[in-house]
Amino acid sequence: GENVEQHPSTLSVQEGDSAVIKCTYSDSASNYFPWYKQELGKGPQLIIDIRSNVGEKKDQRIAVTLNKTAKHFSLHITETQPEDSAVYFCAASMTGGFKTIFGAGTRLFVKA
Amino acid sequence: TAGITQAPTSQILAAGRSMTLRCTQDMRHNAMYWYRQDLGLGLRLIHYSNTAGTTGKGEVPDGYSVSRANTDDFPLTLASAVPSQTSVYFCASSPDRGAPGELFFGEGSRLTVL
Repeated sequence: GENVEQHPSTLSVQEGDSAVIKCTYSDSASNYFPWYKQELGKGPQLIIDIRSNVGEKKDQRIAVTLNKTAKHFSLHITETQPEDSAVYFCAASMTGGFKTIFGAGTRLFVKA
Repeated sequence: TAGITQAPTSQILAAGRSMTLRCTQDMRHNAMYWYRQDLGLGLRLIHYSNTAGTTGKGEVPDGYSVSRANTDDFPLTLASAVPSQTSVYFCASSPDRGAPGELFFGEGSRLTVL
């Protein structure tokens, strides 16, 4: 089955700096790669996603890149703010699979 | 908008007792899921249901059962709880209109098994 690995497990940056979180997946049939943000005491919420027919997607300060050949995808947050502090999860799923498999999460600290 | 409602919010349970975690959605989504979240392990899929009347096993199904009698409800039952089932449990749903998409999560149920 699908396996998703996520690095780093913890990331600390200064406010205004960029943050990058990287994930790899194992099943070449996966074609949907979402990123979720989880704030303390809450359920995860989707912040951006990318499908396998696209290499990059941007939404304001957040961007995701996908390298299908290497089975890598990454989350980039620019101009970080204290409210970006949270746990971020990458995930992978495929059409008809009904299973979204998550990475272990990255705890991001943005220091003011 | 309620979205996904989970109950209870938290529970302490003696080992060997049974427990049902409740999950209701008001979005008329086809697919529903149960995940457990443990430190360092992320979110692991326990069971899922792609439509009312059908269920499937996820990554860590042992010790858990689910049912999907209707579109809105997807309860998770622990028949005989063990301490390793101490975790935060999240229910989620998705429209699942033929292609994978966003999961909508509840606020979680924290379960402690002693």
